[in-house]
Amino acid sequence: EAAVTQSPRNKVAVTGGKVTLSCNQTNNHNNMYWYRQDTGHGLRLIHYSYGAGSTEKGDIPDGYKASRPSQENFSLILELATPSQTSVYFCASGERWGSSYEQYFGPGTRLTVL
Amino acid sequence: AQSVTQPDARVTVSEGASLQLRCKYSYFGTPYLFWYVQYPRQGLQLLLKYYPGDPVVQGVNGFEAEFSKSNSSFHLRKASVHWSDWAVYFCAVSMWGSAGNKLTFGIGTRVLVRP
Repeated sequence: EAAVTQSPRNKVAVTGGKVTLSCNQTNNHNNMYWYRQDTGHGLRLIHYSYGAGSTEKGDIPDGYKASRPSQENFSLILELATPSQTSVYFCASGERWGSSYEQYFGPGTRLTVL
Repeated sequence: AQSVTQPDARVTVSEGASLQLRCKYSYFGTPYLFWYVQYPRQGLQLLLKYYPGDPVVQGVNGFEAEFSKSNSSFHLRKASVHWSDWAVYFCAVSMWGSAGNKLTFGIGTRVLVRP
């Protein structure tokens, strides 16, 4: 069974503070993704990674950094958190085998920036 | 750029009734299409996926979807809704072989089930 876990599950941060959201996958997938979910927008891609040491910008990368220190771990970093970054963040992993592909999602992290 | 439109933000259906959720995509080339479901306070789970081939695909829990190239649509259906289908449903599209196999999501349709 595919497994993606996220920590923390809930986080309250102050404006200007640094926030790190962590994601771990045991699927041995090369690709990992960070999304945010907001009402009226669905899920939007922030950063993604092809493997350890790589990070790529997604559709809305401004204000976010990412780090992929290993195959299993992918972090999202908010260096200077702002209230507009209050959202639910999802991590996912994915791999392609032949013609089959899907992404497996974690349970989400609810971030509130005050 | 690829995009997905889910025109219905909310759908209310009675338990036992049929359900159809609409999805229109905009894409140049051959799309790969997905429906995900999000139960309350959970992450997304895959319901079904379409790769070029049979236009009707079967998913979990009695869901199916039909791809139409002429209508640029990928509508989701279920013949008889159960109370446990109360959730948000997302349609997504991917360009095969795109960098990172990225998914583009619609805004989601919230399904409410009346007893």
